[in-house]
Amino acid sequence: DTEVTQTPKHLVMGMTNKKSLKCEQHMGHRAMYWYKQKAKKPPELMFVYSYEKLSINESVPSRFSPECPNSSLLNLHLHALQPEDSALYLCASSNPLAGGWDTQYFGPGTRLTVL
Amino acid sequence: LAKTTQPISMDSYEGQEVNITCSHNNIATNDYITWYQQFPSQGPRFIIQGYKTKVTNEVASLFIPADRKSSTLSLPRVSLSDTAVYYCLVGDIEPGNTGKLIFGQGTTLQVKP
Repeated sequence: DTEVTQTPKHLVMGMTNKKSLKCEQHMGHRAMYWYKQKAKKPPELMFVYSYEKLSINESVPSRFSPECPNSSLLNLHLHALQPEDSALYLCASSNPLAGGWDTQYFGPGTRLTVL
Repeated sequence: LAKTTQPISMDSYEGQEVNITCSHNNIATNDYITWYQQFPSQGPRFIIQGYKTKVTNEVASLFIPADRKSSTLSLPRVSLSDTAVYYCLVGDIEPGNTGKLIFGQGTTLQVKP
């Protein structure tokens, strides 16, 4: 199984809502990532979890809160978002090689619209 | 992290070979070069990765000159389904790095019939 799954596929939320994005992989990967992608722009790294610990936070606003409950799951909790946060949110995972990190496998993304 | 520069867009016709060149002048000793493909509203998909000289798989070839300041992704005999955005990334995947990837602007390849 070389698949990264993300739910939901689409999400519409108001600025006062609280919602969560979910990501799951069963490849035994020990690094998981959240990216944000605006239309016609490249993906931008938000967070990296390495062995279930947050290792990189790219100065993301606190209205985005990541969580890694176990090695297979990654959540992104959303609260008090702004319309400019509307984007495609991508999850990825990778595995440590003997001496480095393997390639990243991406999920299909969650299309988020903030009204 | 090394910055990459690619052409914004390229056009080709079905059956042709397409070469997309990426410039990465400040590539570091431990950096690898990786290419991803992305279709609209989908996540990027790994194509190929290399460190030096030439790498070939069932999908593409990657040519890296000795100075490693550029690389060329070669797609043989493209089809309409190869229409996508292609990203060149340079990053250190060695121990001590957490696999951080920085995507450049990418090259939009349009394959015409």
